[in-house]
Amino acid sequence: DQQVKQNSPSLSVQEGRISILNCDYTNSMFDYFLWYKKYPAEGPTFLISISSIKDKNEDGRFTVFLNKSAKHLSLHIVPSQPGDSAVYFCAGEKTSYDKVIFGPGTSLSVIP
Amino acid sequence: GAGVSQSPRYKVAKRGQDVALRCDPISGHVSLFWYQQALGQGPEFLTYFQNEAQLDKSGLPSDRFFAERPEGSVSTLKIQRTQQEDSAVYLCASSAIQGAMVGYTFGSGTRLTVV
Repeated sequence: DQQVKQNSPSLSVQEGRISILNCDYTNSMFDYFLWYKKYPAEGPTFLISISSIKDKNEDGRFTVFLNKSAKHLSLHIVPSQPGDSAVYFCAGEKTSYDKVIFGPGTSLSVIP
Repeated sequence: GAGVSQSPRYKVAKRGQDVALRCDPISGHVSLFWYQQALGQGPEFLTYFQNEAQLDKSGLPSDRFFAERPEGSVSTLKIQRTQQEDSAVYLCASSAIQGAMVGYTFGSGTRLTVV
């Protein structure tokens, strides 16, 4: 059973426009949701997170929105830059346990 | 060190061979995790250490997989009698404290290819 789903394997966006990456989850016990970014041949790097009691968290160009009733979250990148081209993983965690469950990832290409 | 260091970066093993993958976490990080990432997939949890204690090994796919962290710092993931389905990138991550808000710091991984 896939607890975290990212149904779009890839996304292409023009530089300067908004990138929206979507994520759905089935486990209502997650306390936090996280986004990681991964470049080829490197490990994932932590990008931004949101508590399950919040509906929005913003950090510079990156904003994560959480809709608990729909079990859906999204990452908005505005404006998109070519350096944002990477694979983005959505993940969920129960803090009482500390194990992070990752989705399959979405490959973002920002076209100059 | 400044980051999580994993070695070797690449490993080619013949089917049936034993391999050992090393992870050097960030100094002082108490939590250490191993993940397995197959091609085109997200990282899948293997096991978790808090200091030297292995608190969860529920993700280890079979008894051929074994992990240890005897002194609470460096960790080794050992795979016995490797099989082709073991081919993947093995990622190690560490965290200073419990709690997701700070995120993990991942190493660059070891790419294991079993031929």
